[in-house]
Amino acid sequence: EVQFLESGGGLVQPGGSLRLSCAASGFTFSNYAMSWVRQAPGKGLEWVSAILDNGVGTTYAASAKDRFTISRDNSKNTLYLQMNSLRVEDTALYYCVKDMRNWYFDLWGRGTLVTVSS
Amino acid sequence: EIVLTQSPATLSLSPGERATLSCRASQSVSSFLAWYQQKPGQVPRLLIYDASNRATGIPARFSGSGSGTDFTLTISSLEPEDFAVYYCQHRINWPLTFGGGTRVEIK
Repeated sequence: EVQFLESGGGLVQPGGSLRLSCAASGFTFSNYAMSWVRQAPGKGLEWVSAILDNGVGTTYAASAKDRFTISRDNSKNTLYLQMNSLRVEDTALYYCVKDMRNWYFDLWGRGTLVTVSS
Repeated sequence: EIVLTQSPATLSLSPGERATLSCRASQSVSSFLAWYQQKPGQVPRLLIYDASNRATGIPARFSGSGSGTDFTLTISSLEPEDFAVYYCQHRINWPLTFGGGTRVEIK
């Protein structure tokens, strides 16, 4: 069974940092690109960042560029998102999502909640 | 950035009725468009990819059509479990973007 265990969310003050983790199981993690997608409370979906299966290629939404860093450790089947200089508008549920080999998302984690507030 | 505009924002229908949801792109995305369903308290589920291909396990009552800038998701006969929010998403270039969603509610 495919599973994602997301962690690292929480309450942080504006300007602070958090590191999200997503431990995957049930599929060959190193064969697939992965992304983070977020959803602000009561709002729609927003793609944040993606990383290729080998970890070499990464890309970001404008809202995340220069503040967030996506990475992965294929030896640990784990995806990460380092988030710095957090803003109130980054408050959202952050989903770890698996790419279906074509930048569509066929598997979603349950999400980890990030709340940025003073 | 490609903007995806979904309409209507809310669709009020009864079980058994046909639902037609629209997604319009600000520029051509060819056929590189997907649809997702999200029920309250649940994670999104991929329904359709490349405009018209059903994802694994998706019932035949869900169908997608369109290309270029105009796309449609059709639910031929609404089942009680189909009342949810539906999002479109393109993959033609970066950044990937989602539409704002259409809520299908029980009339």
